[in-house]
Amino acid sequence: DMQMTQSPSSLSASVGDRVTITCQASHDINDYLNWYQHKPGKAPKLLIYDASNLETGVPSRFSGSGSGTDFTFTISSLQAEDIATYYCQQYESLPYTFGQGTKVQIK
Amino acid sequence: QVQLVQSGAEVKKPGASVKVSCMASGYIFSSYGITWLRQAPGQGLEWMGWISIYNGNTNYAPRLQGRVTMTRDTSTGTAYMELRGLRSDDTGLYFCARDIRRFDHWGQGTLVNVSS
Repeated sequence: DMQMTQSPSSLSASVGDRVTITCQASHDINDYLNWYQHKPGKAPKLLIYDASNLETGVPSRFSGSGSGTDFTFTISSLQAEDIATYYCQQYESLPYTFGQGTKVQIK
Repeated sequence: QVQLVQSGAEVKKPGASVKVSCMASGYIFSSYGITWLRQAPGQGLEWMGWISIYNGNTNYAPRLQGRVTMTRDTSTGTAYMELRGLRSDDTGLYFCARDIRRFDHWGQGTLVNVSS
């Protein structure tokens, strides 16, 4: 299975801070990578698809970049409502796999 | 608008089976696949498998192969996931999602509790 290594596992930042999460694939996945936001008790929400494309309706403070094995997810200015766990997910090969998640908290 | 509505919470004993439904609306059901995912308490997201609504083809996670079956009823716009031989570590929140090589719409989740 494709291994997705996501870091950090958790972070604490202030409102307005820039937040960066990385995701590394065990093999080249081209740009077949998505990012999701998951709040407790709710369904996950797609934020970024194909590594860098913003899903319709998602605020522009969220962005993604990368290709091959190394990917980055950024919140340019953290807001209180962004408190959640964020996951990367590859769809280059089955079984689709997720990173371990990054829990984002407000300092 | 696209909606996926899942069946309600289930409590099952070890060894039993559970069947979760996912009713789709707001789009052409047969044009997209449905993926099933789950999250155990305190754990991350796990991909369980996928079904093509068009022809019923499936692909299951290797660790669930032999215990999981995904089906669909195109007449009602409903997808189903059945998991057999339930164990305590199958406890968790189960989701269906529309699959267009990304999971763009999700059901609300179904809690499955496996306990003796």
